[in-house]
Amino acid sequence: KAGVTQTPRYLIKTRGQQVTLSCSPISGHRSVSWYQQTPGQGLQFLFEYFSETQRNKGNFPGRFSGRQFSNSRSEMNVSTLELGDSALYLCASDKGFGTDTQYFGPGTRLTVL
Amino acid sequence: GESVGLHLPTLSVQEGDNSIINCAYSNSASDYFIWYKQESGKGPQFIIDIRSNMDKRQGQRVTVLLNKTVKHLSLQIAATQPGDSAVYFCAEKSGGSYIPTFGRGTSLIVHP
Repeated sequence: KAGVTQTPRYLIKTRGQQVTLSCSPISGHRSVSWYQQTPGQGLQFLFEYFSETQRNKGNFPGRFSGRQFSNSRSEMNVSTLELGDSALYLCASDKGFGTDTQYFGPGTRLTVL
Repeated sequence: GESVGLHLPTLSVQEGDNSIINCAYSNSASDYFIWYKQESGKGPQFIIDIRSNMDKRQGQRVTVLLNKTVKHLSLQIAATQPGDSAVYFCAEKSGGSYIPTFGRGTSLIVHP
């Protein structure tokens, strides 16, 4: 069974631009979560989507948004990029029930110049 | 590859030694615990999990121990190999919560 895939793997943007990251979950997984990972803050939860609805949300500004499609694929968007948005963005999928284990993709490394 | 974390607790061991990585959790209602391994430049990889009705679970070369009394979790790696060098995260979930809470991680360095 194929794992979680994320595209692109690397991105370089400049301040003020916007970016869209994509995540394809493991087949059969209906929940997709997004995390931001930085050396200083560790793994921080952004939001979780289940059946095309945002079910949980972390403490990030509204510049960070996401969506999920009917095939469970998900995208996240960051508008008006800031230098501090430079991070590894990780996507994780699971079946969508509370006792499930999340499986992570390789991440998208975003650098904002 | 790129470092996934700075200022993390670090455990340095020699190849062939056994490694023990510890994790303290704060939520007494947590009932599901997971260990992840993250190699440089990669996403976290599931290693092993344990539910609160157990105090020990074994996998291939890894053992997780859970002490609910003191809210402590440990990951033991037997015969540690250079390929085990990575950052190890514990995560906890409680009461059917959909989102796990992650620890800061421990960097394991294995010297040949």
